[in-house]
Amino acid sequence: GENVEQHPSTLSVQEGDSAVIKCTYSDSASNYFPWYKQELGKRPQLIIDIRSNVGEKKDQRIAVTLNKTAKHFSLHITETQPEDSAVYFCAASKGRNTGFQKLVFGTGTRLLVSP
Amino acid sequence: NAGVTQTPKFQVLKTGQSMTLQCAQDMNHNSMYWYRQDPGMGLRLIYYSASEGTTDKGEVPNGYNVSRLNKREFSLRLESAAPSQTSVYFCASSPTGDYGYTFGSGTRLTVV
Repeated sequence: GENVEQHPSTLSVQEGDSAVIKCTYSDSASNYFPWYKQELGKRPQLIIDIRSNVGEKKDQRIAVTLNKTAKHFSLHITETQPEDSAVYFCAASKGRNTGFQKLVFGTGTRLLVSP
Repeated sequence: NAGVTQTPKFQVLKTGQSMTLQCAQDMNHNSMYWYRQDPGMGLRLIYYSASEGTTDKGEVPNGYNVSRLNKREFSLRLESAAPSQTSVYFCASSPTGDYGYTFGSGTRLTVV
């Protein structure tokens, strides 16, 4: 089955810096890659996703890139702010092929943005 | 529009006790899921229901059972709780196709 590895496990940056979180997946049939943000004590919330027919997607200060050949995808956050501090999870699934999606999650990255 | 509602939010059980975690969604989603979240291990799939009337095991099903009561509701049962089941449990739902999950607010379960 699918296996998703996520690095780093912890990332500390200064406010205004950029942050990059990387994930690799094992199943070449995976075609949907969402990212979730989980604040302390809260539920995971979808912040951005990318499908296998595109290489990059942006939404204001966040962007995701996908390299299907290398089977890795990354989350980029620019101009970080203290409110970006949270745990970020990547995930992968084969939604279109099976009619429904079963996400496999990475182990998470704790991002700390210091003022 | 409440999204995904989980009950209870907190629970303490003694080893060997049983309980059912309830989950309901009001978004007309076809698929529902139960995950557990442990420190350093991310979110691991316990059971899922691709559509009403079907359920399947996920990555860590041992010690759990599920019921897809109808399209809205998906419950998780612990028949004989063990300390290893101390965790935060999240229910989620999704529409058909490659769309993101909507998660419930979680149940923090402690087994002593």
